Amino acid sequence: SQKIEQNSEALNIQEGKTATLTCNYTNYSPAYLQWYRQDPGRGPVFLLLIRENEKEKRKERLKVTFDTTLKQSLFHITASQPADSATYLCARLSGGYNKLIFGAGTRLAVHP
Amino acid sequence: GAVVSQHPSWVICKSGTSVKIECRSLDFQATTMFWYRQFPKQSLMLMATSNEGSKATYEQGVEKDKFLINHASLTLSTLTVTSAHPEDSSFYICSAIQRRASTEAFFGQGTRLTVV
Repeated sequence: SQKIEQNSEALNIQEGKTATLTCNYTNYSPAYLQWYRQDPGRGPVFLLLIRENEKEKRKERLKVTFDTTLKQSLFHITASQPADSATYLCARLSGGYNKLIFGAGTRLAVHP
Repeated sequence: GAVVSQHPSWVICKSGTSVKIECRSLDFQATTMFWYRQFPKQSLMLMATSNEGSKATYEQGVEKDKFLINHASLTLSTLTVTSAHPEDSSFYICSAIQRRASTEAFFGQGTRLTVV
């Protein structure tokens, strides 16, 4: 079956460090991968989309990479801040209506 | 970005009653809306895809008679949880896209349903 997996349930880092989150996919080749942020009790908020022919995408302190050989996307937050603490979800598009299928998410905690 | 509003933000209902949740796109017309359910510390699970003016498409394992979806206009979709039971308690989230095959989805703030 087509799977999208985020292997780390939680990640704790010190303020100022770079957080790196991993998203792996198996048994298919997505044309896009997306990353969302979700705060407790809130809906997800779109962060970045990366296409399969793009190696890297940046937005301010965020960077996403897409490695089709490793079947993996990495999500980086540089100079992390406590306000970056949230759950980060990767997602793939599926079907004709581009429904989003989410990974389990990684809870990031940035400590002062 | 586009705004999607869900109402109510939270609701408590008695077992056996029905609850309706609304999802509105405030500043765009949504050809397609999606309904998700999220249990504590778990990811979003897609329940159904809703297109304006047509029947919703449900994911495998989701009971269409229990979770009624109506997408009556390009700005409104509703999810009705019928004969709710405690196991239906969850966080329900809708999302909307502006046009078919759009790659960016906009999410509502979610509805916390508690069935007692």
